[in-house]
Amino acid sequence: DIQMTQSPSSLSASVGDRVTITCRASQSISSYLNWYQQKPGKAPNLLIYAASSLQSGVPSRFSGSGSGTDFTLIISSLQPEDFATYYCQQSRSTVTVSFGQGTKLEIK
Amino acid sequence: EVQLVESGGGLIQPGGSLRLSCAASGLTVSSNYMSWVRQAPGKGLEWVSVIYSGSSTYYADSVKGRFTISRDNSKNTVYLQMNSLRAEDTAVYYCARQRVELITGTPPYFDYWGQGTLVTVSS
Repeated sequence: DIQMTQSPSSLSASVGDRVTITCRASQSISSYLNWYQQKPGKAPNLLIYAASSLQSGVPSRFSGSGSGTDFTLIISSLQPEDFATYYCQQSRSTVTVSFGQGTKLEIK
Repeated sequence: EVQLVESGGGLIQPGGSLRLSCAASGLTVSSNYMSWVRQAPGKGLEWVSVIYSGSSTYYADSVKGRFTISRDNSKNTVYLQMNSLRAEDTAVYYCARQRVELITGTPPYFDYWGQGTLVTVSS
């Protein structure tokens, strides 16, 4: 099975900051990598698919990059509504989907 | 507008059974890859099971042999039958559509999610 490891597990930042979250796969997954945002008590919301494609309706301050085993989610200028938990997810195999452990983004 | 509405969660004793439902509107479950994803309290997301448009089914090792995913095309609903429940199955269970674009080859992703239903396994 493919293991996904995110770093950091938690992060404190201020409004306006540039934030970077990384995700590493235990084997190459090409660009089969998605990013989700989850707020407390809510379902996850798709931000980025195929490593770098912005989901419709998602603000352009969110961007993704990477391929193979190393991936990055960048928030260019944090807004108050961005404080949430972020998950990466590999879809190299639809049979055994796996998520990273999550990165909790908190207000400094 | 696509809506996925889960139901059937509740408190159940260890060893018991429960059936979750995911009623879909705005999409046809038989034409899509439909998954269940769970989240234990305070923990991360864990994929549980998927049913393909062609009816093939797959499960996470943690639930294999105990859970069964199915669908009723006439009701446009996906089910998760959960047997031999354990305390570690306690979680919010989400139904999600896994978008698969076979023609373009775009990597799959979960684009629609339900609101979740809480399953608590405890004596």
